[in-house]
Amino acid sequence: DTEVTQTPKHLVMGMTNKKSLKCEQHMGHRAMYWYKQKAKKPPELMFVYSYEKLSINESVPSRFSPECPNSSLLNLHLHALQPEDSALYLCASSLMGGGLGNNEQFFGPGTRLTVL
Amino acid sequence: KNQVEQSPQSLIILEGKNCTLQCNYTVSPFSNLRWYKQDTGRGPVSLTIMTFSENTKSNGRYTATLDADTKQSSLHITASQLSDSASYICVVSGDSSASKIIFGSGTRLSIRP
Repeated sequence: DTEVTQTPKHLVMGMTNKKSLKCEQHMGHRAMYWYKQKAKKPPELMFVYSYEKLSINESVPSRFSPECPNSSLLNLHLHALQPEDSALYLCASSLMGGGLGNNEQFFGPGTRLTVL
Repeated sequence: KNQVEQSPQSLIILEGKNCTLQCNYTVSPFSNLRWYKQDTGRGPVSLTIMTFSENTKSNGRYTATLDADTKQSSLHITASQLSDSASYICVVSGDSSASKIIFGSGTRLSIRP
């Protein structure tokens, strides 16, 4: 298995809803990432987990809460989002936790999130 | 300031023609440079990855070049196909921190029949 899977593919939620995005990989990768991508813009790094521990939080608002239950799974819990949070949310993984910048990242297909 | 700049922003060519996309970077220290292809609404897919010592790398009809002295890279697409229509993103990695992975803004390529 050489892919990163994400569910759901599409999500529409209201500003008072609580939802979660899921990401899974079975490549034995020890680093996992969440990115946010607005239309016609490059992905923006949100969080990095290295060996199941949060290693980087790029000053993301607390309405986004990441969780890494084990080395294969990564969740992003959403609560009280704003319409401007609508975007494509990408999950990625790479082989090693240390030396993160040197490892090729494999991206999932993304979740298209719309906040009403 | 670590930056990755791509040109052109967008490009339209006829099917079967060749094209070259450019990437200039100021990321230092340099670790590697990757080219990704991203279809609309999908995740990026890696095309090539090159380290400091590599000058060129091919993946089918895609050939990437790297000049680490001038800090420039190019992606050449040969005999374009309609399925090549996508955004092509240049990504440069600096030191060992993930926050040093710098994404370019991408080139939106459209192939016309």
